Amino acid sequence: GENVEQHPSTLSVQEGDSAVIKCTYSDSASNYFPWYKQELGKRPQLIIDIRSNVGEKKDQRIAVTLNKTAKHFSLHITETQPEDSAVYFCAAVDQAGTALIFGKGTTLSVSS
Amino acid sequence: GAGVSQSPSNKVTEKGKDVELRCDPISGHTALYWYRQSLGQGLEFLIYFQGNSAPDKSGLPSDRFSAERTGGSVSTLTIQRTQQEDSAVYLCASTRWGQETQYFGPGTRLLVL
Repeated sequence: GENVEQHPSTLSVQEGDSAVIKCTYSDSASNYFPWYKQELGKRPQLIIDIRSNVGEKKDQRIAVTLNKTAKHFSLHITETQPEDSAVYFCAAVDQAGTALIFGKGTTLSVSS
Repeated sequence: GAGVSQSPSNKVTEKGKDVELRCDPISGHTALYWYRQSLGQGLEFLIYFQGNSAPDKSGLPSDRFSAERTGGSVSTLTIQRTQQEDSAVYLCASTRWGQETQYFGPGTRLLVL
């Protein structure tokens, strides 16, 4: 079955800096890769996703890149702000589409 | 429109008791998922319902866990003879047919004493 590894587990940056979170997956059949943001005590919220026919996707300060050959994908946040502080989860879903397999999360802290 | 809702928001129970957790998916969403999030951990898949098909129970950790989905809408996750290691946040998500984006509920925080 699918296995998703996520690094780093914690990340501290200064406001205005960029943050990068990386994930690898094991199932080459996986074709959908969402990123969720979870603030303390809140539900996970989808922030961006990418499908396997696309190499990069951008939405304002957030971008995701996908390397199918290497089976890894990354989240890039530019010009970080304190409100970006949260736990970020990457996930992958296979062609069966039965469930998201999540990484263990990255706690991002942005200090002003 | 209304999002995914879950009840109760918090549940405290004694070891050995049974608990029922409820999920109301977004109206019109055909797929429903249950996940478990232990403290400081990622989300662990438990079970998946798609329409009237047989559920995918491959993530259930033991036979103490079961789930039902009545009428293709509301779902109930039941944990029998609860153990302290069952303490976690139980999250429900739903998706529209043919789409991958999963929308999560607020979760039920379960504490087994």
